[in-house]
Amino acid sequence: DAKTTQPNSMESNEEEPVHLPCNHSTISGTDYIHWYRQLPSQGPEYVIHGLTSNVNNRMASLAIAEDRKSSTLILHRATLRDAAVYYCILTGEYGNKLVFGAGTILRVKS
Amino acid sequence: GAVVSQHPSWVICKSGTSVKIECRSLDFQATTMFWYRQFPKQSLMLMATSNEGSKATYEQGVEKDKFLINHASLTLSTLTVTSAHPEDSSFYICSASGAGGPETQYFGPGTRLLVL
Repeated sequence: DAKTTQPNSMESNEEEPVHLPCNHSTISGTDYIHWYRQLPSQGPEYVIHGLTSNVNNRMASLAIAEDRKSSTLILHRATLRDAAVYYCILTGEYGNKLVFGAGTILRVKS
Repeated sequence: GAVVSQHPSWVICKSGTSVKIECRSLDFQATTMFWYRQFPKQSLMLMATSNEGSKATYEQGVEKDKFLINHASLTLSTLTVTSAHPEDSSFYICSASGAGGPETQYFGPGTRLLVL
């Protein structure tokens, strides 16, 4: 199975950039890297996804290693509203199914 | 864009009753809808996948006769928890794909079910 490994938790200061790492050493060539986040008591929210190239959108940036065995979600300026559980998920092996792991709990300090 | 709604947002029911949860894609046609369950302090667990007009595909260990899924249109899917029991109390979340490509899912806000 193409699985991901993320740190259990991370802490950041408000207004500072945050780099959330994800390891996926067994990724296959057709797997997309997706990031979702879940705020407390809410459904998950799509953040960003990519295949090989780095991606930017209004929420975040996704940096993908050249060998694709790891990626980093970058929040350029963390706010208190970014405190959430962030999930790094590979799709492709399971078709369009998402298999959620434990994710990374991001705490943002003011 | 890509908004998914769920109704109700929370429900309390007596043991033995059935509960229906609706999931709607408001501004796009959802080719596929998914139902998840999340217990406190745990991650989301996929229950089933449904395509419009087809029978749902259930994950291993999920009772299809207990969790009835209907995907009657490209914008509506329903999950009915039949003969609910306290152990079915959970946070039920739906998602839909079709707006950002087949592999991007947009999630509803969730429905909290408490069975007394």
